Amino acid sequence: KAGVTQTPRYLIKTRGQQVTLSCSPISGHRSVSWYQQTPGQGLQFLFEYFSETQRNKGNFPGRFSGRQFSNSRSEMNVSTLELGDSALYLCASSPPSQGYQETQYFGPGTRLLVL
Amino acid sequence: AQKITQTQPGMFVQEKEAVTLDCTYDTSDQSYGLFWYKQPSSGEMIFLIYQGSYDEQNATEGRYSLNFQKARKSANLVISASQLGDSAMYFCAMREPLSSFQKLVFGTGTRLLVSP
Repeated sequence: KAGVTQTPRYLIKTRGQQVTLSCSPISGHRSVSWYQQTPGQGLQFLFEYFSETQRNKGNFPGRFSGRQFSNSRSEMNVSTLELGDSALYLCASSPPSQGYQETQYFGPGTRLLVL
Repeated sequence: AQKITQTQPGMFVQEKEAVTLDCTYDTSDQSYGLFWYKQPSSGEMIFLIYQGSYDEQNATEGRYSLNFQKARKSANLVISASQLGDSAMYFCAMREPLSSFQKLVFGTGTRLLVSP
């Protein structure tokens, strides 16, 4: 079974631009979560989508948004990029069960550099 | 309040020795899950081991075992017979499903360096 895939793997943008990152979950997984990882703040939860609905959101400004499609693929968008948005963005998917024991499987991440 | 605490920023171990990475957590939920992930320099988070709050036995997965002490709220990762490829960042994480669905809360991580 193929793992979680994320595109692009690397991205360079300038301040004020917007960016869209894509995530394809493991086949059969319906939950997709996004995390931001920076040296200063560590790993922080952005949001989770399940069956095309956002059901949990972290403490990030409205510039960060996401969506999920009917095939469970997800995109996240960051508008009006700031230097502090430079980070590794990780996507994770989980099997259909909503139990707390279900493992999240992560993709390789997208490294975003904002200049 | 910090939910997951990893007090060891870095750890050194010689090849073939065992190493314990510490993790303490804070929750008021009765049902929760604890996870350990490995992150090599490539960036991908690799799932290692899981422990449920109701599991009576400590979890084991190959060379990885979890020393779960519920009363002390600790979930330490033990890596036996360390290998050079174990050099990486290790993160402890917790899920509290009643309040947060699939959201994982991570600790700050421990960088493990395995020397020959």
